[in-house]
Amino acid sequence: ETGVTQSPTHLIKTRGQQVTLRCSSQSGHNTVSWYQQALGQGPQFIFQYYREEENGRGNFPPRFSGLQFPNYSSELNVNALELDDSALYLCASSLAGEQYFGPGTRLTVT
Amino acid sequence: RKEVEQDPGPFNVPEGATVAFNCTYSNSASQSFFWYRQDCRKEPKLLMSVYSSGNEDGRFTAQLNRASQYISLLIRDSKLSDSATYLCVVITGQNFVFGPGTRLSVLP
Repeated sequence: ETGVTQSPTHLIKTRGQQVTLRCSSQSGHNTVSWYQQALGQGPQFIFQYYREEENGRGNFPPRFSGLQFPNYSSELNVNALELDDSALYLCASSLAGEQYFGPGTRLTVT
Repeated sequence: RKEVEQDPGPFNVPEGATVAFNCTYSNSASQSFFWYRQDCRKEPKLLMSVYSSGNEDGRFTAQLNRASQYISLLIRDSKLSDSATYLCVVITGQNFVFGPGTRLSVLP
């Protein structure tokens, strides 16, 4: 096990709602990255946080936002949910490049 | 052209076979490379880093060719438990790009 945990494991929301996903990084890891993985595709990079600051962002709209806390845990917030937001959301923690993933949160938007 | 490309497969091989996957990337400034494996409905797990000098871990060998902008993964003596999707990851600056993955099925 990587020591990276995510909550909740599954979530069902309706279009237009907002959602917050949580991630606890592996002990000692100061960098957290978030990914969206649609069925049958590779993970798509959303953004990365390093020491509580956004440190890189993929091609996702501003309604995807995040936070990192002093203990390096992190949240992903998605506003105004759309049907296409249905996916597995993965967080990964890292210290020196190599990333270790949590089990993911499966979000379904109806 | 996509930033990172992989043959989606599936590769169906018998136990004991040797199988090779390639992954091409478009940005010559990319600086770090990894292979991950992902089992069905599970998270990706780090398999190995990829270096220009090549690196080996048991039955797995990874290679980077910067001139041709591709990385490779060779699996020798395939086991049933190697059945999974293999994802390459290319890092450029702070941008982590996964390939779409190659599915491998090792058959008894």
